Amino acid sequence: EAGVAQSPRYKIIEKRQSVAFWCNPISGHATLYWYQQILGQGPKLLIQFQNNGVVDDSQLPKDRFSAERLKGVDSTLKIQPAKLEDSAVYLCASSFRQGGYTFGSGTRLTVV
Amino acid sequence: GDSVTQMEGPVTLSEEAFLTINCTYTATGYPSLFWYVQYPGEGLQLLLKATKADDKGSNKGFEATYRKETTSFHLEKGSVQVSDSAVYFCALTLNDYKLSFGAGTTVTVRA
Repeated sequence: EAGVAQSPRYKIIEKRQSVAFWCNPISGHATLYWYQQILGQGPKLLIQFQNNGVVDDSQLPKDRFSAERLKGVDSTLKIQPAKLEDSAVYLCASSFRQGGYTFGSGTRLTVV
Repeated sequence: GDSVTQMEGPVTLSEEAFLTINCTYTATGYPSLFWYVQYPGEGLQLLLKATKADDKGSNKGFEATYRKETTSFHLEKGSVQVSDSAVYFCALTLNDYKLSFGAGTTVTVRA
């Protein structure tokens, strides 16, 4: 079974620039999550999709972050404009059933 | 809200030492509990899980028992190796909803 694919692996941008991350979940996984992991902290949920609908985006800073899941498969997470405090690893995960979460390797974002 | 609190690190051990990482949870219902591991430069990997009270999850020599009476899910390993050096995260989920993670505990095992 192929894993959760994320790209790019690393990204360095200047503050106020925009950036986008891509995630391809495991085939058949209806639920997709984006987490933000700041250095030294545990991952924090940004947004959860069920198929192509949003289940929870209460922790997503909607003034600068946006996410979509086209046709209930791939997803993109965008930040515009980026701030220094957005420096983190952005993790994508997908699940099919209870406890069956699979995480991607993440995208490490550095905002300078 | 639902949350987990885990032992602060970092933890430094010698090879073959006993490892315990404490984790307690707060939840409105009956959560499923997990331990995830993150090796240097890698993504999160599920280490073990338990879905109901008194369940014991085990993998790679690690064990954790779901204790409802103490709302705990402590991770243990009897004899650690250098390759166990990683960051360990306790996490919970309710009804297959989002995973809520603890802050992580960094473990370093010296040869």
